[in-house]
Amino acid sequence: AQKVTQAQTEISVVEKEDVTLDCVYETRDTTYYLFWYKQPPSGELVFLIRRNSFDEQNEISGRYSWNFQKSTSSFNFTITASQVVDSAVYFCAKHNAGNMLTFGGGTRLMVKP
Amino acid sequence: DAGVTQSPTHLIKTRGQQVTLRCSPKSGHDTVSWYQQALGQGPQFIFQYYEEEERQRGNFPDRFSGHQFPNYSSELNVNALLLGDSALYLCASSFGLAVYNEQFFGPGTRLTVL
Repeated sequence: AQKVTQAQTEISVVEKEDVTLDCVYETRDTTYYLFWYKQPPSGELVFLIRRNSFDEQNEISGRYSWNFQKSTSSFNFTITASQVVDSAVYFCAKHNAGNMLTFGGGTRLMVKP
Repeated sequence: DAGVTQSPTHLIKTRGQQVTLRCSPKSGHDTVSWYQQALGQGPQFIFQYYEEEERQRGNFPDRFSGHQFPNYSSELNVNALLLGDSALYLCASSFGLAVYNEQFFGPGTRLTVL
């Protein structure tokens, strides 16, 4: 199976700091999709972004930004000026054969006031 | 517009028992996928249903089976429960099988096997 690796298992920052969550993936596909999800303590996965392999432009949505680099198979996620409400587990995922998602192990982000 | 709903929210079973988990997809969605999330890990794909048929399956034994009904809702059945089946079971729905379609996740069912 093509793996998704999130090397940072836990990150702790103080509110208003910027934080980057790393994601590296394996693929033999030429066309593929990458995703980021947020999982708050309630357990429900919340979709944040979808990126296809043909679009290497960085994307910004409010305080969130994503850096996709096909050459290094990375899809990193940055939160600017972090807030306590950003505390959650964040998952990077890649679609594999068919419509299944392969998730990384997740990064637990703790934002302290 | 109701999102993905799952029942029950929590369940406690003993080894060897059987369990059935239920999922209702988001309105307008016709595809349901099931994931298992062990504590401290990322979700793992179990299988996906579309048009009442299992379309894709992850690396899970035959003890895990499912069903999709004409109204697109779905059930996940696990037989001969093992301690290692303790996990959060997540249901996700989407429209069609296209890989780029966003999957919406439910709140999950937390299964504890004693």
